[in-house]
Amino acid sequence: AQSVTQLGSHVSVSEGALVLLRCNYSSSVPPYLFWYVQYPNQGLQLLLKYTSAATLVKGINGFEAEFKKSETSFHLTKPSAHMSDAAEYFCAVRRVSGSSNTGKLIFGQGTTLQVKP
Amino acid sequence: SAVISQKPSRDICQRGTSLTIQCQVDSQVTMMFWYRQQPGQSLTLIATANQGSEATYESGFVIDKFPISRPNLTFSTLTVSNMSPEDSSIYLCSVDPEPMNTEAFFGQGTRLTVV
Repeated sequence: AQSVTQLGSHVSVSEGALVLLRCNYSSSVPPYLFWYVQYPNQGLQLLLKYTSAATLVKGINGFEAEFKKSETSFHLTKPSAHMSDAAEYFCAVRRVSGSSNTGKLIFGQGTTLQVKP
Repeated sequence: SAVISQKPSRDICQRGTSLTIQCQVDSQVTMMFWYRQQPGQSLTLIATANQGSEATYESGFVIDKFPISRPNLTFSTLTVSNMSPEDSSIYLCSVDPEPMNTEAFFGQGTRLTVV
């Protein structure tokens, strides 16, 4: 079975500070991992994805994430937070059935990022 | 990529009634997915809508409560039947474009409030 755990339901940083949102996964097969962002009253937007290529993945809006197999982690970082980064962030793993890619996603619980001026 | 349009964007409904949510995609896709996001919660998959066959429901979700239609490769509907306040959620449509792209795309969601 696959699962995703996001550590910390709320993270608060000051504008200009480092953003670190934690995600750990469990998967018996090489995972496809994603970070999505949800702004208030909007749908989900893909920030970045890991698909077994480079372990350091760069996404939109200055975000990046590093896949660490030994730690089963895929933490999201941004060197300097902006006020506009305040949103809900979801880590997700693509569900695999046997050797088939199902297209379904399993989401973590979400982390609300607050950015203080 | 895929652009997904969902209607309505939000609605307030009386308990006991039903609401049908529409999802239109700008390209043909094999599988479409419906997710539910309860207030303050993460996303949970309701079902997979396959064109030409019955929808496949996840554990805890049943067809009588959430009937789904998939008349063609660009359109699907989800109905929330006999609604109660517990059905108040955001419902999101998602697609995984062929050929099994590694990225899922989401609609803007339908924010449903049941009173």
